[in-house]
Amino acid sequence: AQSVTQPDIHITVSEGASLELRCNYSYGATPYLFWYVQSPGQGLQLLLKYFSGDTLVQGIKGFEAEFKRSQSSFNLRKPSVHWSDAAEYFCAVANQAGTALIFGKGTTLSVSS
Amino acid sequence: DAGVTQSPTHLIKTRGQHVTLRCSPISGHKSVSWYQQVLGQGPQFIFQYYEKEERGRGNFPDRFSARQFPNYSSELNVNALLLGDSALYLCASSLEATSNSPLHFGNGTRLTVT
Repeated sequence: AQSVTQPDIHITVSEGASLELRCNYSYGATPYLFWYVQSPGQGLQLLLKYFSGDTLVQGIKGFEAEFKRSQSSFNLRKPSVHWSDAAEYFCAVANQAGTALIFGKGTTLSVSS
Repeated sequence: DAGVTQSPTHLIKTRGQHVTLRCSPISGHKSVSWYQQVLGQGPQFIFQYYEKEERGRGNFPDRFSARQFPNYSSELNVNALLLGDSALYLCASSLEATSNSPLHFGNGTRLTVT
């Protein structure tokens, strides 16, 4: 069965520092992978997606993610974090039937000044 | 353009009661999905509807049901509420019911069962 693991529950980064959020997935074929961000009291906003092709994908708000099949990973990165990036980040993989997303438990990002 | 809209935003119910949550998709989107997000967890899939037909169902009891209307809006119904049903219920719409059609989420309905 497909699954997503986000090993870090909470990460604190200084403003202006770089960020990497980890995501590992379990899926037999080529996965469709997503990163979403959720601010307090809000729904989820799509940051970026990977379907096929170039393994480095660019998203909104200066985020990027790299798909590494050998490591079953899809880590999210940002070169310089802004205070407004503080939020909950979710990695997700589409299920085999294409009917649903399977989400990880999320990583809470705090930004210190 | 309006995003996915959900109503109500907050709801308090008592154990054993019934609740109906509503969702209007982005204009032009034909698929609507429902997710349950318990505090501190990622969203869990409940249903996917496309062109008024159920296309997928998650691991939820029969107390949970949904439907999609001709205008593509949707309702999620939960009967015989339990304390454990307290959660943020998220609706998402997409153009098609395929994996490469990204989901656009509403802000959710916060359900509290007492």
